[in-house]
Amino acid sequence: DQQVKQNSPSLSVQEGRISILNCDYTNSMFDYFLWYKKYPAEGPTFLISISSIKDKNEDGRFTVFLNKSAKHLSLHIVPSQPGDSAVYFCAATGHTGTASKLTFGTGTRLQVTL
Amino acid sequence: DAGITQSPRYKITETGRQVTLMCHQTWSHSYMFWYRQDLGHGLRLIYYSAAADITDKGEVPDGYVVSRSKTENFPLTLESATRSQTSVYFCASRPGAGSYNEQFFGPGTRLTVL
Repeated sequence: DQQVKQNSPSLSVQEGRISILNCDYTNSMFDYFLWYKKYPAEGPTFLISISSIKDKNEDGRFTVFLNKSAKHLSLHIVPSQPGDSAVYFCAATGHTGTASKLTFGTGTRLQVTL
Repeated sequence: DAGITQSPRYKITETGRQVTLMCHQTWSHSYMFWYRQDLGHGLRLIYYSAAADITDKGEVPDGYVVSRSKTENFPLTLESATRSQTSVYFCASRPGAGSYNEQFFGPGTRLTVL
C-alpha cells in the first residue's frame, strides 16, 4: 500500500521554464511534507518542506504547494536549471507516533534540457 | 570527516553469506535510520533507532539485524544474504530535538548478492 505516490516517473523540461513535480498521499495522519533531491551515486539531500498548517512555502527558486483537501502537494522550480537534473523524492511524516519516520514516494526523475 | 559516512560504498557477496554495512555520524544525532532504494519502490525504511540501545522495525525489516551500542554508529547486518537484498542502502540521521527535523543521508552502499 503506497501511502505516498509520485505518479510521474520522469519529467523533461527546458532550461528556464518551470518544472512541476507532483505528489499525492493517502494517510490523513501525515502533517509534514518534505522534498529531497538525489544525484546519481549520492545520498538524498533535503530541499524544502511544508507543514500542514501552511499551503505554500518558498525558498529561492523552489516553492512547495500543499492542498490538504486533495491530499496533494507539488514542487515548483522556477526557472529550471541544468543542475536541477536529478531524482526528486516526496516524503511525509505524521505528528503522533510516526514523527521520527518518513514515508517516501517512488521518485520523479527530472531532466532539464538546454 | 564531519557528517555521515557509510562503508563499504560497494559490496558484492554471495547468497547465504553474512554482510555488515556500517554507518557512522559525527553530529551526535539521536535518530538514525536505514533505508533501501529499489526501482519502483523509492526509499523504504528497514530499521531505525531513537537512541543508543533503542531500535525499532521499519517497513521492510525481515532478513536484517541492527544494533546501536554507541550513538554515532548504526551497523546493518544481513545475516544470510539473499538475491532480493540486492539494493542500494542508505543510512540517515537527524537530531532528536523537534519533531520535524529533516534527515541527513549518507552516500549509500550498493550491495549485490549473487
